[in-house]
Amino acid sequence: EVQLVETGGGLVQPGRSLKLSCVASGFTFSRYWMYWIRQAPGKGLEWVSSINSDGGSTYYSDSVKGRFTISRDDAENTVYLQMNSLRSEDTATYYCAKDGDYGSLYVMDAWGQGASVTVSS
Amino acid sequence: DIQMTQSPSLLSVSVGDRVTLNCKASQNIYKNLNWYQQKLGEAPKLLIYYTNNLQTGIPSRFSGSGSGTDYTLTISSLQPEDVATYYCYQYNSGWTFGGGTKLELK
Repeated sequence: EVQLVETGGGLVQPGRSLKLSCVASGFTFSRYWMYWIRQAPGKGLEWVSSINSDGGSTYYSDSVKGRFTISRDDAENTVYLQMNSLRSEDTATYYCAKDGDYGSLYVMDAWGQGASVTVSS
Repeated sequence: DIQMTQSPSLLSVSVGDRVTLNCKASQNIYKNLNWYQQKLGEAPKLLIYYTNNLQTGIPSRFSGSGSGTDYTLTISSLQPEDVATYYCYQYNSGWTFGGGTKLELK
């Protein structure tokens, strides 16, 4: 069974940093692209970042580019999201998701339960 | 950047209704569109990929269609467990979610 478990969320002051982790199990982690998606309280889903299967290519939304860094450790079956210079508008539940076996299609076919991040003084 | 617009944002429905949710892209996305269902307090779940392909385990009352810039998710006969928010998502150029359509029971 595929499982994705996010950790590292919490309350942080504006301008500070936080690192989220997502530990994967139940599939061959190294084969798949991974994603971070966030959802502000009462709002819709927002794609944040993607990383390809070998970690050599990373992508970011304009809202986090230059502040957030996605990375992966295939030995630990873990994808990370380093978040720097946090702002109040980064307050959200952060989900990690895995890509699926759909050829060239980008299909987030499994999601974690999310980690809550609150940026407030 | 491609923008995704879903309509309506809120839909009041009854059990047994045929329900149609719309998603419009700001440019042609060549059917590179998925649909997700999110129930209150839960993570999103994949329903449909590449416009009209039903994900394994999803009931056949869900179907998708569309091309170019206009896409539709249809629920043929709404069940109580279908009350949720539905998001379209394009991956033709970057990755973008629509704003969502929330279904509520009348």
